[in-house]
This record gives sequence, C-alpha cells and structure tokens, in this order.
Amino acid sequence: GDSVTQMEGPVTLSEEAFLTINCTYTATGYPSLFWYVQYPGEGLQLLLKATKADDKGSNKGFEATYRKETTSFHLEKGSVQVSDSAVYFCALRGNTGFQKLVFGTGTRLLVSP
Amino acid sequence: GAVVSQHPSWVICKSGTSVKIECRSLDFQATTMFWYRQFPKQSLMLMATSNEGSKATYEQGVEKDKFLINHASLTLSTLTVTSAHPEDSSFYICSALETVHYGYTFGSGTRLTVV
Repeated sequence: GDSVTQMEGPVTLSEEAFLTINCTYTATGYPSLFWYVQYPGEGLQLLLKATKADDKGSNKGFEATYRKETTSFHLEKGSVQVSDSAVYFCALRGNTGFQKLVFGTGTRLLVSP
Repeated sequence: GAVVSQHPSWVICKSGTSVKIECRSLDFQATTMFWYRQFPKQSLMLMATSNEGSKATYEQGVEKDKFLINHASLTLSTLTVTSAHPEDSSFYICSALETVHYGYTFGSGTRLTVV
C-alpha cells in the first residue's frame, strides 16, 4: 500500500540556518503530495502541496518539489526562524479513488535564537 | 478560508463513561470527514472515514463499537468514545474534505484524558 517515509527528528537548527527535511513515498501512479505543519497543541495546517511531477509547492519561504524519478518531496527553507519550530508532516493522497491522506511519522524542528 | 471547529479542545472523563467530540465545518460543506488519533510524538493514525448520511468506514484494528461516528449533515461529524478507558487517552483530530476549493481542513484537535 501507499506509504510515506520521513527523516527522524528532532532537527535542531540555529536561526537563519538552511533547512531540509527529507520525504520519500511509495505509491502507485501519480499521488498528490503535501506538507503539513503542527504547532504545539494544535491541529494540522497545510503548508504546501504539489499535484503532479515537477510541480513546486511553496509557502512562507518553504519549498518542495515533486520528484517522480526519486519519489521524493523534500521540504526546504533557506533561512529558518524561531517561529518555524513545529512538527512537519509529509503526506500523500493516492489516486485509487480513496480520499484519505497517508502521513509520514512527522519531523520535529527546533530553531534556537 | 475554510475553518473546521472541533470541540471540546480538551476533556477529562472518568473510566467507563462516554465522551462525544464534535467536528464542524463552519463555512463550507464537507463531502467527507476523517477522524485521526495521534499518540505523543507520533504521526496521525486514521481511524475512520465518514460521508454524510452513510456509515463510517473504519480502518483495520479500530473498534467501531467503541468509536462511534455519526455524520448527520454536510457540516457536522461526531466521534463518541464509548466506555472510555485510560488507554483511550490521546489527541483526536478531525479533518473535513471539500474538493472544489479547500481540500483538507483540520480541526484543532481534542485532548482526551481518561482517569
């Protein structure tokens, strides 16, 4: 079945450092890919998404490119801020007709001043 | 933008009692709603998928008689944890799907503690 693999955290960075959180997936066909962010005690917020190969999703300085050849959707940001500290989830929605999202295990990001 | 209201945000109940959690889409109609459970520092585990007016589809290993889901309208779904026990303590999150404009919108979650 469909699955998502994320790098384990926590990822600890200093403010203004470069961020990469790796995400790879297994799915048949062409799934849609998402990054969600969860702040402490809250639900999930959509950060960005891509629906087809080579699409780049971007939002709030974060970017991720849908790479079909490497089945990856790595999240990047050029300069992180303390306010970016949160848990980041990579997810996919398959194209089998079912609408459910499949999530990775999440990666906690800690940014220090 | 789309907003999903989930209530209560936290609840403490005694073992053996039942707890109802509401998930309401405020400014859109949701074709499908999802219920997730999240353990500390872990990912979201999909419990069930529900469509308005029909029975929920439960994921393997989820007890449907324990976790009752009602999806009576296009804007409201409820999850009732029946005869709750301490092992049911968790963070429960709902999500509503609207396919034309908003995609998936998540509620802010409910922290359930069973004592």
